Amino acid sequence: NAGVTQTPKFRILKIGQSMTLQCAQDMNHNYMYWYRQDPGMGLKLIYYSVGAGITDKGEVPNGYNVSRSTTEDFPLRLELAAPSQTSVYFCASKAGAENIQYFGAGTRLSVL
Amino acid sequence: GDSVTQMEGPVTLSEEAFLTINCTYTATGYPSLFWYVQYPGEGLQLLLKATKADDKGSNKGFEATYRKETTSFHLEKGSVQVSDSAVYFCALSEVGGAGSYQLTFGKGTKLSVIP
Repeated sequence: NAGVTQTPKFRILKIGQSMTLQCAQDMNHNYMYWYRQDPGMGLKLIYYSVGAGITDKGEVPNGYNVSRSTTEDFPLRLELAAPSQTSVYFCASKAGAENIQYFGAGTRLSVL
Repeated sequence: GDSVTQMEGPVTLSEEAFLTINCTYTATGYPSLFWYVQYPGEGLQLLLKATKADDKGSNKGFEATYRKETTSFHLEKGSVQVSDSAVYFCALSEVGGAGSYQLTFGKGTKLSVIP
């Protein structure tokens, strides 16, 4: 069972570059989430989606964009990378009837 | 807004020692409460949950009881093993936009168990 798959696992960006973090789930979950985890801190919600075509901001959305064209995929876009976006990014998904989120293994991003 | 406060780490214990990780929360409604565990190099996994007051969640020898009167959800295990070494996150979930049930996390507590 693949569950939630994130790619890439590691990435180094230069300031001002852009990239897309990929997230895919094969559980037919309606809800998907993007979090960032900074050292010594809990996870902070960046964006979430309640279904294909519907997205909304979380606690720390600035500098990021998302789209949800299919149920399976929920990519996170960084347009102009900044050192403050150095973090570990986690994608998660949840079925509608169950209040449990399932997490991917994460993408470690460094912006230098 | 909602918040979760858990004890600062790191915590180092000898194998077979008793573990307690304290967690308290602030919420406007009646949240569900969770403990997630993150093993080195991996994503978060649900360890246990409780959805209403006095519920006890349990899994793999870990337990936590939802205490509404003290707004707490402390994690306990009677005898830890080296394989329990990980970062433990307390979290709560309340209904968000369109029923999204967003999670609010504590900062995490790193546990190291030595043989």
